[in-house]
Amino acid sequence: DAGITQSPRYKITETGRQVTLMCHQTWSHSYMFWYRQDLGHGLRLIYYSAAADITDKGEVPDGYVVSRSKTENFPLTLESATRSQTSVYFCASSESISSGRGNEQFFGPGTRLTVL
Amino acid sequence: DQQVKQNSPSLSVQEGRISILNCDYTNSMFDYFLWYKKYPAEGPTFLISISSIKDKNEDGRFTVFLNKSAKHLSLHIVPSQPGDSAVYFCAARDAGNNRKLIWGLGTSLAVNP
Repeated sequence: DAGITQSPRYKITETGRQVTLMCHQTWSHSYMFWYRQDLGHGLRLIYYSAAADITDKGEVPDGYVVSRSKTENFPLTLESATRSQTSVYFCASSESISSGRGNEQFFGPGTRLTVL
Repeated sequence: DQQVKQNSPSLSVQEGRISILNCDYTNSMFDYFLWYKKYPAEGPTFLISISSIKDKNEDGRFTVFLNKSAKHLSLHIVPSQPGDSAVYFCAARDAGNNRKLIWGLGTSLAVNP
């Protein structure tokens, strides 16, 4: 599928388990991002990546791990899930800064994660 | 401390009338402002943006106005349609933190037929 996809769309897990959320984009965008959306907080940046093998922390990185071995994939791992990580997670991508559309981020459909 | 504020959590408008969504910001380093629209169970989608060197940008029914001195921007939708019912997010790019968008909490717009 063209665009940006996330899997799974819904996930229920238990406290302490490891969970990986997948994100795949077909545009070859340089930048990729992970956000979480919670009531009363809007969208908060967890991690982002400027290119393959380059990642950096966002606003709320604790408890999460990312990797980017290929430009098109940017998985997010919760190493030991906690109830506070129950949220909707969005992956996004954007082109390089030299592009005229460089300020626009394209979002995936989201993953709703529930940690029991 | 929120750097991007959307003070109205919700707005209800009659079909055909104008919808005005507001956004205030505090950081003078913001150099680009974007509006996104979000339907339930979907990701946000880009709607319109404006550079900090401009004061207006128009795209069809959507116009964004920027008042830098007041650190205020607004999105005008004219005429409003029922399909415009969604949550609208204001986001600002921090020039000092490249690529990082700072998001408001969103305003839920309901356009009534």
